[in-house]
Amino acid sequence: EADIYQTPRYLVIGTGKKITLECSQTMGHDKMYWYQQDPGMELHLIHYSYGVNSTEKGDLSSESTVSRIRTEHFPLTLESARPSHTSQYLCASSEYQEKLFFGSGTQLSVL
Amino acid sequence: KNQVEQSPQSLIILEGKNCTLQCNYTVSPFSNLRWYKQDTGRGPVSLTIMTFSENTKSNGRYTATLDADTKQSSLHITASQLSDSASYICVVSDRGSTLGRLYFGRGTQLTVWP
Repeated sequence: EADIYQTPRYLVIGTGKKITLECSQTMGHDKMYWYQQDPGMELHLIHYSYGVNSTEKGDLSSESTVSRIRTEHFPLTLESARPSHTSQYLCASSEYQEKLFFGSGTQLSVL
Repeated sequence: KNQVEQSPQSLIILEGKNCTLQCNYTVSPFSNLRWYKQDTGRGPVSLTIMTFSENTKSNGRYTATLDADTKQSSLHITASQLSDSASYICVVSDRGSTLGRLYFGRGTQLTVWP
């Protein structure tokens, strides 16, 4: 059973608010990822990290930022939320052969 | 262009019946192919991985096949159960980088009716 946790599960906020989506894993994985998923669409990589103090932007242009100060923690921050940011955000980690362990996701709605 | 196409987009079957989901890919070079199951409101969970040399792999009632020549994979579900209702996502990894880039399909939404 994978041990990767995301909070909050659901978030409804107003435009212009700053938010941080939390992601933590207890498996000691070096690699961590943030994906965005809209209904019926494929997952899009928005950020990833190879380890502490290592972060990279993914394929999808995003106005979010991430940090990796500790191995187990990989938060994603939106400085100013907009309705276009409404989506499901999935955090994942992996150790080898790119087998991803996903959290349960955060469903974000920006009004 | 590296792509992963899944079919059908959605499928409804009766409990106890079998079904087969398809995944076609154009990813090159090829490293491996994974099938994930995503329950509603949850993150995807890996079901099985197929590497270049493997043709068939089973995980309980799930059997995945791979034809690396035609770049096709299938996921066969035997004796379906209500709990099989989920989205099934095909993910292909290339060898273009040390980490292997991942290409995701859009998934097949399976609904099992009693």
